[in-house]
Amino acid sequence: QQNVQQSPESLIVPEGARTSLNCTFSDSASQYFWWYRQHSGKAPKALMSIFSNGEKEEGRFTIHLNKASLHFSLHIRDSQPSDSALYLCAVRITGNTRKLIFGLGTTLQVQP
Amino acid sequence: ETAVFQTPNYHVTQVGNEVSFNCKQTLGHDTMYWYKQDSKKLLKIMFSYNNKQLIVNETVPRRFSPQSSDKAHLNLRIKSVEPEDSAVYLCASSRMGGGANEQYFGPGTRLTVL
Repeated sequence: QQNVQQSPESLIVPEGARTSLNCTFSDSASQYFWWYRQHSGKAPKALMSIFSNGEKEEGRFTIHLNKASLHFSLHIRDSQPSDSALYLCAVRITGNTRKLIFGLGTTLQVQP
Repeated sequence: ETAVFQTPNYHVTQVGNEVSFNCKQTLGHDTMYWYKQDSKKLLKIMFSYNNKQLIVNETVPRRFSPQSSDKAHLNLRIKSVEPEDSAVYLCASSRMGGGANEQYFGPGTRLTVL
Protein backbone atom coordinates (compact mmCIF):
# COMPACT_ATOMS: atom_id res chain seq x y z
CA GLN A 1 0.00 0.00 0.00
CA GLN A 2 1.47 3.31 -1.11
CA ASN A 3 2.30 5.66 1.75
CA VAL A 4 2.85 9.33 0.91
CA GLN A 5 4.24 11.68 3.53
CA GLN A 6 4.81 15.43 3.31
CA SER A 7 7.03 17.78 5.28
CA PRO A 8 6.89 20.25 6.78
CA GLU A 9 3.27 20.33 7.87
CA SER A 10 3.25 24.12 7.68
CA LEU A 11 5.64 26.85 6.71
CA ILE A 12 5.77 30.63 7.04
CA VAL A 13 8.26 32.48 4.84
CA PRO A 14 8.85 36.14 3.95
CA GLU A 15 8.06 37.43 0.49
CA GLY A 16 10.98 36.81 -1.86
CA ALA A 17 12.24 33.73 -0.02
CA ARG A 18 13.06 30.37 -1.58
CA THR A 19 10.67 27.72 -0.31
CA SER A 20 11.20 23.95 -0.32
CA LEU A 21 8.47 21.38 0.16
CA ASN A 22 9.15 17.66 0.52
CA CYS A 23 7.33 14.46 -0.29
CA THR A 24 8.34 10.86 0.35
CA PHE A 25 6.67 7.73 -0.98
CA SER A 26 6.99 4.04 -0.21
CA ASP A 27 6.53 2.23 -3.54
CA SER A 28 9.76 2.33 -5.55
CA ALA A 29 7.86 1.27 -8.68
CA SER A 30 5.75 4.45 -8.65
CA GLN A 31 5.70 6.20 -12.00
CA TYR A 32 4.01 9.59 -11.87
CA PHE A 33 4.59 12.35 -9.37
CA TRP A 34 2.50 15.48 -9.00
CA TRP A 35 2.23 18.67 -7.01
CA TYR A 36 -1.21 20.22 -6.63
CA ARG A 37 -1.99 23.57 -5.07
CA GLN A 38 -5.22 24.40 -3.26
CA HIS A 39 -6.04 27.95 -2.27
CA SER A 40 -8.38 28.29 0.68
CA GLY A 41 -11.94 27.32 -0.26
CA LYS A 42 -10.95 26.50 -3.84
CA ALA A 43 -10.44 23.38 -5.93
CA PRO A 44 -7.01 21.71 -6.01
CA LYS A 45 -5.17 22.57 -9.21
CA ALA A 46 -2.21 20.76 -10.72
CA LEU A 47 0.99 22.76 -10.48
CA MET A 48 3.67 20.50 -11.91
CA SER A 49 4.46 16.88 -12.60
CA ILE A 50 7.56 14.79 -13.21
CA PHE A 51 7.83 11.26 -14.51
CA SER A 52 11.57 10.49 -14.49
CA ASN A 53 14.51 11.19 -12.21
CA GLY A 54 15.92 14.67 -12.33
CA GLU A 55 14.69 18.23 -12.30
CA LYS A 56 12.06 20.20 -14.16
CA GLU A 57 11.65 23.96 -14.01
CA GLU A 58 8.60 26.02 -14.91
CA GLY A 59 8.91 29.71 -14.09
CA ARG A 60 9.53 30.15 -10.37
CA PHE A 61 8.78 26.50 -9.64
CA THR A 62 11.19 23.55 -9.78
CA ILE A 63 10.34 19.94 -9.12
CA HIS A 64 13.02 17.41 -8.27
CA LEU A 65 12.65 13.62 -8.23
CA ASN A 66 14.98 10.99 -6.77
CA LYS A 67 13.30 7.60 -7.10
CA ALA A 68 16.14 5.77 -5.34
CA SER A 69 15.60 7.93 -2.27
CA LEU A 70 11.80 7.67 -2.63
CA HIS A 71 11.68 11.45 -2.51
CA PHE A 72 10.51 14.36 -4.59
CA SER A 73 10.34 18.03 -3.81
CA LEU A 74 8.95 21.36 -4.96
CA HIS A 75 11.02 24.52 -4.79
CA ILE A 76 9.54 27.97 -5.15
CA ARG A 77 11.87 30.80 -6.04
CA ASP A 78 10.95 34.38 -5.03
CA SER A 79 7.88 33.32 -3.05
CA GLN A 80 4.86 35.64 -3.38
CA PRO A 81 1.88 36.19 -1.08
CA SER A 82 -0.28 34.67 -3.84
CA ASP A 83 1.65 31.42 -3.33
CA SER A 84 0.02 31.07 0.10
CA ALA A 85 -1.98 27.84 -0.15
CA LEU A 86 -2.11 24.15 0.72
CA TYR A 87 0.41 22.17 -1.37
CA LEU A 88 -0.47 18.54 -1.98
CA CYS A 89 1.92 15.98 -3.42
CA ALA A 90 0.47 12.95 -5.18
CA VAL A 91 1.87 9.67 -6.48
CA ARG A 92 0.26 7.26 -8.88
CA ILE A 93 0.36 3.72 -7.59
CA THR A 94 1.43 0.83 -9.81
CA GLY A 95 -1.19 -1.29 -11.49
CA ASN A 96 -4.04 -0.34 -13.76
CA THR A 97 -6.36 1.39 -11.31
CA ARG A 98 -4.86 4.81 -12.19
CA LYS A 99 -5.24 5.97 -8.60
CA LEU A 100 -3.44 8.96 -7.20
CA ILE A 101 -2.45 8.81 -3.55
CA PHE A 102 -2.18 12.24 -1.95
CA GLY A 103 -0.11 13.39 1.00
CA LEU A 104 -1.63 15.35 3.87
CA GLY A 105 -0.28 18.60 2.50
CA THR A 106 1.94 21.49 3.51
CA THR A 107 0.29 24.79 4.35
CA LEU A 108 2.44 27.63 3.06
CA GLN A 109 2.02 31.22 4.19
CA VAL A 110 4.08 33.90 2.46
CA GLN A 111 4.18 37.11 4.45
CA PRO A 112 4.46 40.45 2.60
CA GLU B 1 -12.21 28.95 -15.87
CA THR B 2 -14.40 26.23 -14.31
CA ALA B 3 -14.86 23.13 -16.40
CA VAL B 4 -15.86 20.69 -13.65
CA PHE B 5 -19.16 21.70 -12.10
CA GLN B 6 -20.59 20.42 -8.86
CA THR B 7 -23.97 20.90 -7.20
CA PRO B 8 -24.84 21.76 -4.55
CA ASN B 9 -22.05 23.91 -3.10
CA TYR B 10 -23.16 23.19 0.46
CA HIS B 11 -25.56 20.79 2.08
CA VAL B 12 -26.59 20.56 5.71
CA THR B 13 -28.60 17.55 6.79
CA GLN B 14 -29.37 15.35 9.73
CA VAL B 15 -28.14 11.89 10.60
CA GLY B 16 -30.02 9.20 8.71
CA ASN B 17 -31.08 11.32 5.74
CA GLU B 18 -30.22 10.58 2.11
CA VAL B 19 -28.22 13.06 0.02
CA SER B 20 -27.16 13.25 -3.62
CA PHE B 21 -24.37 15.22 -5.23
CA ASN B 22 -23.94 15.92 -8.92
CA CYS B 23 -20.88 16.48 -11.07
CA LYS B 24 -20.52 17.43 -14.71
CA GLN B 25 -17.37 18.05 -16.75
CA THR B 26 -17.15 19.84 -20.07
CA LEU B 27 -13.55 18.91 -20.88
CA GLY B 28 -14.35 15.84 -22.96
CA HIS B 29 -12.51 13.60 -20.51
CA ASP B 30 -13.39 9.93 -20.23
CA THR B 31 -12.42 9.35 -16.59
CA MET B 32 -14.10 10.88 -13.55
CA TYR B 33 -13.41 10.60 -9.83
CA TRP B 34 -14.98 11.21 -6.45
CA TYR B 35 -12.67 12.25 -3.61
CA LYS B 36 -13.38 12.97 0.03
CA GLN B 37 -11.41 15.75 1.73
CA ASP B 38 -11.71 15.57 5.49
CA SER B 39 -11.20 18.25 8.13
CA LYS B 40 -7.45 17.55 8.12
CA LYS B 41 -7.39 18.27 4.38
CA LEU B 42 -6.55 14.66 3.49
CA LEU B 43 -7.71 14.02 -0.07
CA LYS B 44 -8.73 10.40 -0.49
CA ILE B 45 -10.14 8.74 -3.58
CA MET B 46 -13.48 6.98 -3.24
CA PHE B 47 -14.52 5.98 -6.76
CA SER B 48 -13.37 6.31 -10.33
CA TYR B 49 -15.24 5.73 -13.58
CA ASN B 50 -13.87 5.33 -17.08
CA ASN B 51 -16.44 5.62 -19.86
CA LYS B 52 -19.26 4.85 -17.41
CA GLN B 53 -17.43 1.78 -16.06
CA LEU B 54 -16.41 1.65 -12.40
CA ILE B 55 -12.64 1.09 -12.23
CA VAL B 56 -11.81 2.17 -8.69
CA ASN B 57 -13.99 1.30 -5.74
CA GLU B 58 -12.19 2.00 -2.51
CA THR B 59 -13.20 0.55 0.82
CA VAL B 60 -16.00 2.96 1.64
CA PRO B 61 -19.19 2.23 3.57
CA ARG B 62 -21.97 0.66 1.52
CA ARG B 63 -24.17 3.69 2.07
CA PHE B 64 -22.07 5.44 -0.60
CA SER B 65 -23.07 4.67 -4.19
CA PRO B 66 -21.79 6.39 -7.33
CA GLN B 67 -23.66 6.55 -10.60
CA SER B 68 -22.55 7.53 -14.08
CA SER B 69 -25.07 8.18 -16.84
CA ASP B 70 -22.46 9.11 -19.42
CA LYS B 71 -18.78 9.96 -19.41
CA ALA B 72 -19.48 13.63 -18.64
CA HIS B 73 -21.62 13.06 -15.56
CA LEU B 74 -20.90 11.40 -12.23
CA ASN B 75 -23.21 11.46 -9.23
CA LEU B 76 -22.77 10.34 -5.64
CA ARG B 77 -25.56 9.20 -3.38
CA ILE B 78 -25.20 8.67 0.35
CA LYS B 79 -27.98 6.72 2.01
CA SER B 80 -28.47 7.32 5.71
CA VAL B 81 -25.65 9.79 6.36
CA GLU B 82 -23.50 9.57 9.48
CA PRO B 83 -21.64 12.38 11.34
CA GLU B 84 -18.30 11.11 10.00
CA ASP B 85 -19.55 11.79 6.47
CA SER B 86 -19.14 15.52 7.11
CA ALA B 87 -16.45 16.57 4.64
CA VAL B 88 -15.89 18.22 1.29
CA TYR B 89 -16.63 15.92 -1.64
CA LEU B 90 -14.57 16.75 -4.69
CA CYS B 91 -15.24 15.57 -8.20
CA ALA B 92 -12.42 15.41 -10.74
CA SER B 93 -11.88 14.35 -14.33
CA SER B 94 -8.95 13.44 -16.54
CA ARG B 95 -8.11 11.90 -19.86
CA MET B 96 -7.56 8.16 -19.84
CA GLY B 97 -4.15 7.37 -18.40
CA GLY B 98 -4.95 8.25 -14.84
CA GLY B 99 -1.83 9.36 -13.05
CA ALA B 100 -0.05 10.40 -16.20
CA ASN B 101 -2.68 12.99 -17.00
CA GLU B 102 -3.66 16.00 -14.95
CA GLN B 103 -6.82 15.67 -12.91
CA TYR B 104 -9.11 18.68 -13.00
CA PHE B 105 -11.11 19.25 -9.84
CA GLY B 106 -14.47 20.84 -9.25
CA PRO B 107 -15.04 23.33 -6.42
CA GLY B 108 -16.49 20.65 -4.15
CA THR B 109 -19.66 20.06 -2.15
CA ARG B 110 -19.33 20.70 1.57
CA LEU B 111 -21.53 18.30 3.53
CA THR B 112 -22.38 18.93 7.16
CA VAL B 113 -24.19 16.20 9.07
CA LEU B 114 -25.84 17.35 12.28
